[in-house]
Amino acid sequence: KAGVTQTPRYLIKTRGQQVTLSCSPISGHRSVSWYQQTPGQGLQFLFEYFSETQRNKGNFPGRFSGRQFSNSRSEMNVSTLELGDSALYLCASSLGQGVHEQYFGPGTRLTVT
Amino acid sequence: AQSVTQLGSHVSVSEGALVLLRCNYSSSVPPYLFWYVQYPNQGLQLLLKYTSAATLVKGINGFEAEFKKSETSFHLTKPSAHMSDAAEYFCAVRASRKTSYDKVIFGPGTSLSVIP
Repeated sequence: KAGVTQTPRYLIKTRGQQVTLSCSPISGHRSVSWYQQTPGQGLQFLFEYFSETQRNKGNFPGRFSGRQFSNSRSEMNVSTLELGDSALYLCASSLGQGVHEQYFGPGTRLTVT
Repeated sequence: AQSVTQLGSHVSVSEGALVLLRCNYSSSVPPYLFWYVQYPNQGLQLLLKYTSAATLVKGINGFEAEFKKSETSFHLTKPSAHMSDAAEYFCAVRASRKTSYDKVIFGPGTSLSVIP
């Protein structure tokens, strides 16, 4: 089976712009979770989608949003980018039930200048 | 609520020595527990998982972990470190309630260095 794919892998944006990141989960997985990883804050949970519905949400401002499509692919959007949004954004897919072990994509490295 | 602590943000071992990475968890219900590894500029890879079937869990790359309920611990070990084990390791916990969908909680991570 193909693994989790994330596009793009690298992105440079300017403060105030918006950005959309994409994640394609493993075939058959219905849950997609998003994390922000920075050296200072570690891995922080953004949100989880299951069958097109947001099931869990972390403590991030409303500038961070996401959605999931009927084929389980997910996108996350960050509006009005700030310098502090520079991070590695990781997507993880899982079956969404049972043990719920997650399989991660390689991440999107976002740099805000 | 669940939480995870990892004692030691940085651990150094000599090649061939025992690797011991510590993880303690807090959970109001029986937990599912996980160890993940992250190599530079990559995503996280699942090393092993505890799902209540057996307290000693074997994973990939020669790693194993033992669930100790009385100590609320899930330490990761490997008998003999290899240079390729140098990476960041994350412990994670999730409540095992069948009817809820709690998020996975990750620890802060431990960076493992292997000295030749």
